Amino acid sequence: GENVEQHPSTLSVQEGDSAVIKCTYSDSASNYFPWYKQELGKRPQLIIDIRSNVGEKKDQRIAVTLNKTAKHFSLHITETQPEDSAVYFCAARDGGTYKYIFGTGTRLKVLA
Amino acid sequence: KAGVTQTPRYLIKTRGQQVTLSCSPISGHRSVSWYQQTPGQGLQFLFEYFSETQRNKGNFPGRFSGRQFSNSRSEMNVSTLELGDSALYLCASSLEIHEQYFGPGTRLTVT
Repeated sequence: GENVEQHPSTLSVQEGDSAVIKCTYSDSASNYFPWYKQELGKRPQLIIDIRSNVGEKKDQRIAVTLNKTAKHFSLHITETQPEDSAVYFCAARDGGTYKYIFGTGTRLKVLA
Repeated sequence: KAGVTQTPRYLIKTRGQQVTLSCSPISGHRSVSWYQQTPGQGLQFLFEYFSETQRNKGNFPGRFSGRQFSNSRSEMNVSTLELGDSALYLCASSLEIHEQYFGPGTRLTVT
């Protein structure tokens, strides 16, 4: 069935360093890939997304890349700050059914 | 625009009881999806309703059911509660094929 694998499950970086989180999806029909940030006790918040007709998208310090051939997509956060500490989820949406499948999450800790 | 709202925010039930959770989507959004979030399990998809019809379904037992009303508000019902049903239940709404936005969740504790 459909599956999204997310790695790593935890990631610790020094403030100012970059962080990269990777996801792999199995469903070839997936055409939309959002990333959500969930702070402790809060709802998941959409931070960036990419559609299958685009290879890269940037928004200030965050960027997402997509390799459709390899079915990989990644979140890149540069110049990390303590407020970037949270759990990040990737997801893939099926273009036909509009069903979302989420990764298992990455707990990012930015050390001051 | 007001965001997605969920009621109640917290709920404590005992095993064997049933529970109904409510979700009000962003105005104009016709798609409502429900997720179960537990530590270590991420976000598990329950079902999605679009224009009052269940469009997608996850791999949960029949004790989990839902419905959507003509104003797009959605309810989720869990019957014969088990301890393992303790979780944060999140709903999310979207404007057809566009981005999905989450509500604050209902924290269900089963004792």
